[in-house]
Amino acid sequence: GAVVSQHPSWVICKSGTSVKIECRSLDFQATTMFWYRQFPKQSLMLMATSNEGSKATYEQGVEKDKFLINHASLTLSTLTVTSAHPEDSSFYICSAIRDRVLTGELFFGEGSRLTVL
Amino acid sequence: GQQLNQSPQSMFIQEGEDVSMNCTSSSIFNTWLWYKQEPGEGPVLLIALYKAGELTSNGRLTAQFGITRKDSFLNISASIPSDVGIYFCAGQLSGTASKLTFGTGTRLQVTL
Repeated sequence: GAVVSQHPSWVICKSGTSVKIECRSLDFQATTMFWYRQFPKQSLMLMATSNEGSKATYEQGVEKDKFLINHASLTLSTLTVTSAHPEDSSFYICSAIRDRVLTGELFFGEGSRLTVL
Repeated sequence: GQQLNQSPQSMFIQEGEDVSMNCTSSSIFNTWLWYKQEPGEGPVLLIALYKAGELTSNGRLTAQFGITRKDSFLNISASIPSDVGIYFCAGQLSGTASKLTFGTGTRLQVTL
């Protein structure tokens, strides 16, 4: 099956610093990737849709200046949490679909746990 | 954002028992997906359903896409300890570039 990898798996940072999380599709090209956020014991909430070569589309209520998304290649999307604060602490998960496939199976990364002190 | 209603919220069962969980929506979806998530990991796809009324199996797992396109269920037969985890349903509309709406999750605990 398709493999999506995230890095880092976990990160601890000081309040006010910026943190970058990478999402890579390892064995396929992904023109579209998605970034989700998950709080403890809750479901996944879509933050934004990342499109290769164009600007990301953010869901309502998600600050685009706070969560910078870059999809510079067909295999890599990055999420940067800028000026992080403790309330940004969460589990961030990316997912990707194969090139030219618009419906069906989405494959998820392992997730990245961010803790802001 | 929108979430699908999933029930039960949690289940505590004995090894060997069968499990059933379902997911309902006020909106129609064209695809239903079932995922399992273990602590500290991303969701792993279990079953994908593409057609209303479709019944699909994957080993001990069976899932059905409701006729109304507003619901789906997942059954696990003869549960084993490694079935422990959180199960999420997810609905997908065609034409939305695979954007998923997730259910609230069912936490499954299996005791020996």
